[in-house]
Amino acid sequence: GDSVTQMEGPVTLSEEAFLTINCTYTATGYPSLFWYVQYPGEGLQLLLKATKADDKGSNKGFEATYRKETTSFHLEKGSVQVSDSAVYFCALSDLDTGRRALTFGSGTRLQVQP
Amino acid sequence: ETGVTQTPRHLVMGMTNKKSLKCEQHLGHNAMYWYKQSAKKPLELMFVYSLEERVENNSVPSRFSPECPNSSHLFLHLHTLQPEDSALYLCASSQDRGQSNQPQHFGDGTRLSIL
Repeated sequence: GDSVTQMEGPVTLSEEAFLTINCTYTATGYPSLFWYVQYPGEGLQLLLKATKADDKGSNKGFEATYRKETTSFHLEKGSVQVSDSAVYFCALSDLDTGRRALTFGSGTRLQVQP
Repeated sequence: ETGVTQTPRHLVMGMTNKKSLKCEQHLGHNAMYWYKQSAKKPLELMFVYSLEERVENNSVPSRFSPECPNSSHLFLHLHTLQPEDSALYLCASSQDRGQSNQPQHFGDGTRLSIL
């Protein structure tokens, strides 16, 4: 079945550092890929998405490129802020499996220190 | 404001109690979902409703009973829960057009604690 693998956290960075959170996936079809962010005490918010190979999703300075050849969707940001501290989830949607729901990775906690 | 509202935000109940979680979406979506988020575990899908019909039931124990009376409302009825059921329960909605690229919108969750 489909699965999503994320790097384990926590990831601790200083403000203005470069961020990469790795995400790889396995899927039977041609999935859409998503990054969600969860701030403390809140639900998940969609951060960005990509629906086909080589698409780049971007939002709030975050970017991720859909790489079919490496089955990856790594999240990057050039300069993180303290307010970016949260848990980040990589997810895929693959209707070829007959499932409507998302398959999530286990989440990566990011801690940004001033 | 995500357009998906969950109540209550926090719930403490004993193992013999009966309670219900409520989710309401104001986005005009036609699919709704319940997820369970436990500490140090990936999000677990529980139920999926599309056009008010349950289309997925992910081997959830019968002590959890979902109800979808219309496309805007989703309930999770709880009865005789166990301590391991303590978790954050997240509701989500999406527009199901048979395409894979429609994102889900989440509520802020109900934090459930079983005594």
